[in-house]
Amino acid sequence: SQQGEEDPQALSIQEGENATMNCSYKTSINNLQWYRQNSGRGLVHLILIRSNEREKHSGRLRVTLDTSKKSSSLLITASRAADTASYFCATDNTDKLIFGTGTRLQVFP
Amino acid sequence: DTGVSQDPRHKITKRGQNVTFRCDPISEHNRLYWYRQTLGQGPEFLTYFQNEAQLEKSRLLSDRFSAERPKGSFSTLEIQRTEQGDSAMYLCASSPWDRVGVLAKNIQYFGAGTRLSVL
Repeated sequence: SQQGEEDPQALSIQEGENATMNCSYKTSINNLQWYRQNSGRGLVHLILIRSNEREKHSGRLRVTLDTSKKSSSLLITASRAADTASYFCATDNTDKLIFGTGTRLQVFP
Repeated sequence: DTGVSQDPRHKITKRGQNVTFRCDPISEHNRLYWYRQTLGQGPEFLTYFQNEAQLEKSRLLSDRFSAERPKGSFSTLEIQRTEQGDSAMYLCASSPWDRVGVLAKNIQYFGAGTRLSVL
């Protein structure tokens, strides 16, 4: 079963713009992770944020976590055409990951 | 080591046939996971192993599904008497599964998947 929803389901932007995706989840967590999936391929880990952290940065990525609202956001700054992919949040509260429904990002050159 | 590999990449079968998929994880990773992903959805957890022990199975894993990891290295996922509803991408992931204090860190490395089509 899916842990929660991601919003928006699809996002189209121009290169250089920022992209923001939101994730809501249902249960308590230890960590929350974000993964990227290029069409028809496996997932690639992007960033992990622990439940006691509120914000984390990695290169052009910025993740926030609000455990009181059970929500997280992923911001990709200065997007590139190569960022075109599906992005999934995944909650990690025991020993397995529970993924959201994903946001499909399209970045136009 | 080049990462997690899955074989075959694509499998087309007729309803009622049995199929088996193989996953070779990153060699030093002690955990191995299987997921199923249908179009437009996120991966859904099926089962996982720590070394050779199968520690959890999802309710999605009906009696027709069986997974093994006999020597704690590669794993196989078998589906017996396939149904059209089994058509999906089957993803394998491995993890070094690290616990620091009370918080485990479970970053997973995925293979490219096996796409199953049941006709």
